Amino acid sequence: GENVEQHPSTLSVQEGDSAVIKCTYSDSASNYFPWYKQELGKGPQLIIDIRSNVGEKKDQRIAVTLNKTAKHFSLHITETQPEDSAVYFCAAMWQGAQKLVFGQGTRLTINP
Amino acid sequence: ETGVTQTPRHLVMGMTNKKSLKCEQHLGHNAMYWYKQSAKKPLELMFVYNFKEQTENNSVPSRFSPECPNSSHLFLHLHTLQPEDSALYLCASSQDDREGYTFGSGTRLTVV
Repeated sequence: GENVEQHPSTLSVQEGDSAVIKCTYSDSASNYFPWYKQELGKGPQLIIDIRSNVGEKKDQRIAVTLNKTAKHFSLHITETQPEDSAVYFCAAMWQGAQKLVFGQGTRLTINP
Repeated sequence: ETGVTQTPRHLVMGMTNKKSLKCEQHLGHNAMYWYKQSAKKPLELMFVYNFKEQTENNSVPSRFSPECPNSSHLFLHLHTLQPEDSALYLCASSQDDREGYTFGSGTRLTVV
C-alpha cells in the first residue's frame, strides 16, 4: 500500500526566514498531493494542493513542488510569520484504495 | 467554520458510559471519514463511508460503532472505552473520495 514519510518532525525558524517540509511517497500511481495546516484546537485545514501533471504551485507565501521521478514533494513557506506556527501534514492519494494517506506531521515554530 | 461541524467539542466519559459523537457536513459531499488523532499516531483513519455505505473499517475495536444515516451525517457511538482511547476524534468529508478532505474541529475525548 501507500506509505508517506514526512520530515522533519519539528522545525524551528526565525521570523522572516523560509521553512521547507519534505515528504516522500511510495505509490507511483499517486496523483494528488494536498498539504494541511493544523492550529491548536482546530482540525487540519487544506492550505495548498498539487496534482501530478504540475511540477510547482504557488499561493502567495506558500508553494509546493513535486518531483514525480523521485516520488517526493515539498512545502515551502517564505517570509515566515508567527501565525505560520502550527502542525503541517502532507498527504498522497493512494490510487489503489482511493484514499488519502497522511504523513506523520511537522510541528513548525516561528521564533520572533 | 469549515462546513463540517462536530459536536460535542469536548467529552469526558467513564469506561462504562455510552456516548455518541456527531458530525454534520453542509458541503454536499458524498464521502465521510472518522479519524483518531493522538500523540502516537497523528492521523489514524478509522472508518470511511461513501454514499452512506461503509467502505472501510481500519481494524477498529468494536467498542467504536459508526453510523451514517445519510450523506450529510455521521455518528460514532462509543461504549466501554479504555483510557487509551482518549484522543481527538476528527470527522472529514470529501467529494467522491478523490479530492482533498475538509475536516471538522474535532471532539476532544477523555476516558476516565
